[in-house]
Amino acid sequence: SQQGEEDPQALSIQEGENATMNCSYKTSINNLQWYRQNSGRGLVHLILIRSNEREKHSGRLRVTLDTSKKSSSLLITASRAADTASYFCATAQMDSSYKLIFGSGTRLLVRP
Amino acid sequence: GAVVSQHPSWVICKSGTSVKIECRSLDFQATTMFWYRQFPKQSLMLMATSNEGSKATYEQGVEKDKFLINHASLTLSTLTVTSAHPEDSSFYICSARDILAIQTDTQYFGPGTRLTVL
Repeated sequence: SQQGEEDPQALSIQEGENATMNCSYKTSINNLQWYRQNSGRGLVHLILIRSNEREKHSGRLRVTLDTSKKSSSLLITASRAADTASYFCATAQMDSSYKLIFGSGTRLLVRP
Repeated sequence: GAVVSQHPSWVICKSGTSVKIECRSLDFQATTMFWYRQFPKQSLMLMATSNEGSKATYEQGVEKDKFLINHASLTLSTLTVTSAHPEDSSFYICSARDILAIQTDTQYFGPGTRLTVL
């Protein structure tokens, strides 16, 4: 089952611009993670933010988490053509299952 | 870093045959592995949780007899798609959780296996 939705479904920007993707989820979570997937390839873990954290940075990535609204955002600053990929949020459940439930994803195209 | 491999990376088979996909954690031990399937331009859907030495836990709507999972060791889980049909064609991805990763909650993903059933 999918945890929630991401928007936009697709995003096309010019190189150098910032890209913002949003993720909403439905249940209480332990943490939320963002992954990147190049076409037809495996997933790359980008960043993890815990339920008691509100913001986290990693290089050009900035993630926010609002547990009251059950939403998160991923900001990629100064985008590059190589950032072109699909981005997924995934929520880790509060139980001990360690299951990750993925959002619907955002397809990002960064035009050179 | 932690590496997960999958074999084969792609497979084409005839309808009615069974296909086995392997997921291995190469440099760490994993008591828990997860299997996902992904249709084109869609998200990952969790199929089942594979636990070493015990039966897999399947998500609602996933047929246990159709997708057989075996997790015989701390570094290997297999997914067998039995009597495959064209609608089983998909990208299958596994992930593994490091047995020592008590605090990180990080899963390591394999590169995926593309299954095409003719």
